[in-house]
Amino acid sequence: QKEVEQNSGPLSVPEGAIASLNCTYSDRGSQSFFWYRQYSGKSPELIMSIYSNGDKEDGRFTAQLNKASQYVSLLIRDSQPSDSATYLCAVRSNNDMRFGAGTRLTVKP
Amino acid sequence: EPEVTQTPSHQVTQMGQEVILRCVPISNHLYFYWYRQILGQKVEFLVSFYNNEISEKSEIFDDQFSVERPDGSNFTLKIRSTKLEDSAMYFCASKDRTSGYTGELFFGEGSRLTVL
Repeated sequence: QKEVEQNSGPLSVPEGAIASLNCTYSDRGSQSFFWYRQYSGKSPELIMSIYSNGDKEDGRFTAQLNKASQYVSLLIRDSQPSDSATYLCAVRSNNDMRFGAGTRLTVKP
Repeated sequence: EPEVTQTPSHQVTQMGQEVILRCVPISNHLYFYWYRQILGQKVEFLVSFYNNEISEKSEIFDDQFSVERPDGSNFTLKIRSTKLEDSAMYFCASKDRTSGYTGELFFGEGSRLTVL
């Protein structure tokens, strides 16, 4: 069974703070890792992809991957109210991609 | 910007009826996917499709489900005899010819299925 686990939250941070989102996965053969954002009633949209151990930064977002610990995280710096959404961790093995249940983030003005 | 389009946006059907959900992937993409999301729950993988055949399917994708690429542009999901628990948002996604494990999935806006 290929499991992707996330803390469902809700996670609440004040505007300007750092939001930290975590994800673990069960399949050691997983090859690529993604963070998607989903607004209520909308489809997932890609924020970041990461394929190798370490950090990857893109603007206010940093993804971190540790394959030995089967752990991937997303940091959002200078959080804005518009970042309020559900953040989905997705893990690909071969030709399927599985999602975690998502963490609901609220950024309070 | 190219996008994945899905029709219908919302379909209401009676239990036991057949439903076909349609998707037009991005034109040069080669990998196609269906996911579903029951209201308030996680996005669940159903099936992936490549080179005119199913490449992976989940435990959810039982004999009631089938997929087809009837022509060069459409990708369909058929539910043979709908059940109440099939009520969900169904997302189509596609990926370009980037091989292997790289490349993002582009999602359509979804088709909401309501089974009464």
